[in-house]
Amino acid sequence: GQSLEQPSEVTAVEGAIVQINCTYQTSGFYGLSWYQQHDGGAPTFLSYNALDGLEETGRFSSFLSRSDSYGYLLLQELQMKDSASYFCAVRDLENRDDKIIFGKGTRLHILP
Amino acid sequence: DTEVTQTPKHLVMGMTNKKSLKCEQHMGHRAMYWYKQKAKKPPELMFVYSYEKLSINESVPSRFSPECPNSSLLNLHLHALQPEDSALYLCASSQTSGGARETQYFGPGTRLLVL
Repeated sequence: GQSLEQPSEVTAVEGAIVQINCTYQTSGFYGLSWYQQHDGGAPTFLSYNALDGLEETGRFSSFLSRSDSYGYLLLQELQMKDSASYFCAVRDLENRDDKIIFGKGTRLHILP
Repeated sequence: DTEVTQTPKHLVMGMTNKKSLKCEQHMGHRAMYWYKQKAKKPPELMFVYSYEKLSINESVPSRFSPECPNSSLLNLHLHALQPEDSALYLCASSQTSGGARETQYFGPGTRLLVL
């Protein structure tokens, strides 16, 4: 089957750096995506990694290691507005279906 | 325009009511999705439309009936819902459903309460 594992909650201090990990098990792999969702809001796309290495977009970076079936989202210079849930996601290729599978989400708490 | 719009924002309905949720995008995307999301849970896929045809139905009960009148619009018709169907219903779209880089754009959702 296909599955993703990520921590349910992470707490960090404003201005600090935090890393949210995601490990996945899939029968095929087309890349790992990250989405952010604020309470009461809709998920918004943050980043996508298809190849190994680090992708940087401003304060957010995402890393992928395909050999380890592992990725992470790195948030730097944390701001209070970064308090949200973060979901990693992969394409479901098991049945050639065109859909995304989301991890259970990591709730990020930022302390002042 | 990178926006997916959904109406209504909030909906309260009784178990015998019939209502519809609407979703619209003008990004030229050919894939559209309905998700259901309960509090503190990830979005759960319900339906996928690809080029206006239903390509995935995740064994959703028949009291939920999707419709794609054209490439920009997606509806979800609701009938005889149960209280456990109360949730946030999210619509999303992507360029195609088969692209290797799957970026989905989500609407703000309809918060549904079934009494």
